[in-house]
Amino acid sequence: EVVMTQSPVTLSVSPGERVTLSCRASQSVNINLAWYQQKPGQPPRLLIYAASTRATGVPARFSGSGSGTDFTLTISSLQSEDFAIYYCQQYNNWPPYTFGQGTKLDIK
Amino acid sequence: QVQLLESGPGLVRPSETLSLTCTVSGGSNTSGIFYWSWLRQPPGKGLEWIGDVPDSGNTYYNPSLKSRVAISQDRSKKRFFLTLNSVTTADTAVYFCARSKQWDYGAFEIWGLGTLVTVS
Repeated sequence: EVVMTQSPVTLSVSPGERVTLSCRASQSVNINLAWYQQKPGQPPRLLIYAASTRATGVPARFSGSGSGTDFTLTISSLQSEDFAIYYCQQYNNWPPYTFGQGTKLDIK
Repeated sequence: QVQLLESGPGLVRPSETLSLTCTVSGGSNTSGIFYWSWLRQPPGKGLEWIGDVPDSGNTYYNPSLKSRVAISQDRSKKRFFLTLNSVTTADTAVYFCARSKQWDYGAFEIWGLGTLVTVS
């Protein structure tokens, strides 16, 4: 099973700041990596797939990069609606698909 | 557009069987293959993939749950199902159904709202 590790666990940021979230896989997952955003009481929302492709309707301030074992999600200018938990997920080596433990973005 | 909705009992007794249904609505008849998954999230914790069933082909399960889980579908009625037997309190979670992206079968593009199942 591929273990996904996200850092940091919590990040306190101010609106307008640029934010970079990290995700590391225990073995190569090529570019088969997705990012999700989850707000309280809601299902996750797909933001990025294939490591760097934005899903339909996702604002351009969200971007993904990386390949192999190291990936990043960048939010260029944080908006108030972006405060949420972000999960990475690999779908290269399955079953099972596996998720990171999440990074929570808090308002500073 | 396509919407998913989970349904089933909110309370299950320990050692009994959890059974959920995901109903698919909306969307036109899209060509291509999709995978239909079940996932879960214990309260305050992260996400766990349970398994999936494709439009055609084999069903796949998380090895950690494989001995207790079954996923099936009724394509004519646009529904798919989850059964998890011998449940314990560790199976208490919000259960989600989800549809994959076309071609990127492991990326979950459309999600249901989720349904909380408590084992107690």
